[in-house]
Amino acid sequence: AQSVTQLGSHVSVSEGALVLLRCNYSSSVPPYLFWYVQYPNQGLQLLLKYTTGATLVKGINGFEAEFKKSETSFHLTKPSAHMSDAAEYFCAVALLGFQKLVFGTGTRLLVSP
Amino acid sequence: EAGVAQSPRYKIIEKRQSVAFWCNPISGHATLYWYQQILGQGPKLLIQFQNNGVVDDSQLPKDRFSAERLKGVDSTLKIQPAKLEDSAVYLCASSPGQGLHEQYFGPGTRLTVT
Repeated sequence: AQSVTQLGSHVSVSEGALVLLRCNYSSSVPPYLFWYVQYPNQGLQLLLKYTTGATLVKGINGFEAEFKKSETSFHLTKPSAHMSDAAEYFCAVALLGFQKLVFGTGTRLLVSP
Repeated sequence: EAGVAQSPRYKIIEKRQSVAFWCNPISGHATLYWYQQILGQGPKLLIQFQNNGVVDDSQLPKDRFSAERLKGVDSTLKIQPAKLEDSAVYLCASSPGQGLHEQYFGPGTRLTVT
């Protein structure tokens, strides 16, 4: 069965610094991979997704992620953090042909001035 | 377009009581999902509907949880009787249909069982 591991329940950065949120997946077949963001008291919003094709995926709000099959990773990055990026971020995996998403436990991003 | 609507936003009940949550998906979306998000964890799928039929309810605790989507539009999720461990945020999501479409999430209902 597929699963997702997010390293670090909390990540703290300064405004303007690089954001790196880590996600590793486990799947016996090529997966679909997603990053969602959740702001306080709101539902989840899709940031970006990888299905097939280019391994570097660009999303909303300046975020991007790179699918690395050899490392079974899909880390989320943003060159320069903004205060508004403070939120909880979830990595998720789905199997080809299936809609069922399996989420990681989430990483809370804290941005300080 | 209007997003996924959920009500109530917050609910506090005592254990062994019953509770119901309502979800209205985005207009025209055939697929509807209910997720349970316990504090400190990622969302876990409870049940998936395609129109008014159940596609996946493998993780729904059927002894106490039930869900319906009678007319293939809005949906209700019920818990009866509630246990302390049911305290969580219940998220509803919808997508246009089968295949790997984006899921659009509602704001959730935060349930506290005392």
